[in-house]
Amino acid sequence: NAGVTQTPKFQVLKTGQSMTLQCAQDMNHEYMSWYRQDPGMGLRLIHYSVGAGITDQGEVPNGYNVSRSTTEDFPLRLLSAAPSQTSVYFCASSQTGNPGNTIYFGEGSWLTVV
Amino acid sequence: AQRVTQPEKLLSVFKGAPVELKCNYSYSGSPELFWYVQYSRQRLQLLLRHISRESIKGFTADLNKGETSFHLKKPFAQEEDSAMYYCAPSRDMRFGAGTRLTVKP
Repeated sequence: NAGVTQTPKFQVLKTGQSMTLQCAQDMNHEYMSWYRQDPGMGLRLIHYSVGAGITDQGEVPNGYNVSRSTTEDFPLRLLSAAPSQTSVYFCASSQTGNPGNTIYFGEGSWLTVV
Repeated sequence: AQRVTQPEKLLSVFKGAPVELKCNYSYSGSPELFWYVQYSRQRLQLLLRHISRESIKGFTADLNKGETSFHLKKPFAQEEDSAMYYCAPSRDMRFGAGTRLTVKP
């Protein structure tokens, strides 16, 4: 199993550009989520999904869209990038949304918005 | 609100010294807490979970319901323990700010 795979690993965007961070998992997990990691702020939940066709907002959803058309994929879209979205993004999955399940993370995507 | 709090953002100790990374939770009931670790240039990974009462890489964590804490401890820190540590998650899958541990030679 590859686990959680996210791409790209590095990306530089200009303000106002759009892009999609891809995330895929091959563990048949129901729950998937996106976090951003900023110095001093820890991991903050952007959006999450408890199953195909279901998404919901986390702590910092503004400026991001998600969709979950399949169990495996959970892309994160930035419609109009802003410098405040410069961050490291992590996709994660777990068997269910029960916090008792182990969370598996992708390797991270370093995004810089100039 | 359900919260998991790590009061120290930075912690620095010398090699061989004991280390304790603090974690407090604010929700009632029986929490299911974990410690996750992120070594430099690696993805976050599970370090240990309270329910298994295990010791991983010399680390242990005890759930103290009276103090609502789940502190991570190691009696003798090693340089390779330098990493970012997260106590997590809250019931809504949120993480805290984490603690960056630096073990100095």
